[in-house]
Formats: sequence, structure tokens, C-alpha cells
Amino acid sequence: QLQLQESGPGLVKPSETLSLTCTVSGGSISSSSYYWGWIRQPPGKGLEWIGSIYYSGSTYYNPSLKSRVTISVDTSKNQFSLKMSSVTAADTAVYYCARQVGPAEDFDYWGQGTLVTVSS
Amino acid sequence: QSVLTQPPSASGTPGQRVTISCSGSSSNIGSNYVYWYQQLPGTAPKLLIYRNNQRPSGVPDRFSGSKSGTSASLAISGLRSEDEADYYCATWDDSLSGVVFGGGTKLTVL
Repeated sequence: QLQLQESGPGLVKPSETLSLTCTVSGGSISSSSYYWGWIRQPPGKGLEWIGSIYYSGSTYYNPSLKSRVTISVDTSKNQFSLKMSSVTAADTAVYYCARQVGPAEDFDYWGQGTLVTVSS
Repeated sequence: QSVLTQPPSASGTPGQRVTISCSGSSSNIGSNYVYWYQQLPGTAPKLLIYRNNQRPSGVPDRFSGSKSGTSASLAISGLRSEDEADYYCATWDDSLSGVVFGGGTKLTVL
């Protein structure tokens, strides 16, 4: 059974960079066809797609976040990561990593999510 | 302001059939598959419907999806208390070149 687990600091200061890692177990991140994505959910609000990556390193991002976001993959560790720069309180959210069936397809496996709070 | 429009709330009594709508445009729902996710309180979203009307293994056939033009709907028949959750539609938007979600609908089982 495929499992995804987010990890990283739960508290980040304003203007700094948020860094999260998603570890995939029970399957290979290098499986063809699958993309790997990040989605966030501010407290009490809806879901927002951040971006996705293919194991080859090909990425695509939410245009509204693209200037601040970098997603990378480490196939040797079966992990992919999110970096978001210049964070503000508006970036406080639960961050989920998920497997995407294709570049424009559904997210079929999700991590449990990790809350990141932006505060000084 | 979400690209896809959902009613913020819906409700029904046990055994009833309820539908949740998702309205978009020609650049998203009108030209791409629609997906539905169920988010139970305090948990991660779960894929409920993919490619407009397909159910992943393990999803009861009480849940069904449909799409017509630039709108989509999720129907839940034989409503049960455990169906109380937030429901989100999603699709690809050709203009934005990205995944877009609806604002979510909170379903209450009365």
C-alpha cells in the first residue's frame, strides 16, 4: 500500500523560506506516468494546488505561487520536496503531498498533512 | 474566489439523495475531466470520483458523478451519517495550465 508522509518545520518566520519533504513508501517515486504534487489548505478554508513534479524533474506550478515555489525530487531517497520563499501569515496552512495519476489527472493517494504556521 | 463554484453547504436526512454542483467554464470543466474529493473532519482529502464518473475501488456505488457542458455534479444516494464531510470538485484549467479546486461544499446529515 502506497504511503506518503510530509515532514518539516511546523513554524516558519515571516519572510523566510518554508521547506517540506514528502517521503514515499510502498512504491517507487520513479514509476512512469505518476506525478507528485503539493496541495495546501489554510485553516477553515478550501484546497489550493501548489504544484507537481515528475520523477524526471519536470515541474508545473500554480501561476499565483510560481514566483515563490520550487519543487524538487530525489529519486535515491524516494522523496520530493517543496520550498516556498518569502512566506507571510497567508501561507499558514496544512500542506499535503499526494500522488497524481497524470499531469492533469486526479490525486489518488494523499499524505496525512502537516500544519505550517507562519509567525514571528 | 475559486475558479470552480460550489454551494458552500448542502444537507439531507438519512436515506435521502443529495446532489452537489460544481460550475466552471469552457477552459476547465468544459474541456477536461472532473474529480471529486471527500474530506472527513480532521483528515486528508480522499478521491471519491475520477474522470467525471468513475469510482475508485472501495468507494460505494451510492456515490456517482456526472458532467454536462461546463458543470458537474456529485450525487449521494441513501445518505448516511458518515457521509457528513466537505466535498471538493477539481479539474485542470487550460488557461491557467494548472489544477483548480472548487471552494468546497459542507454536507450536513440532519
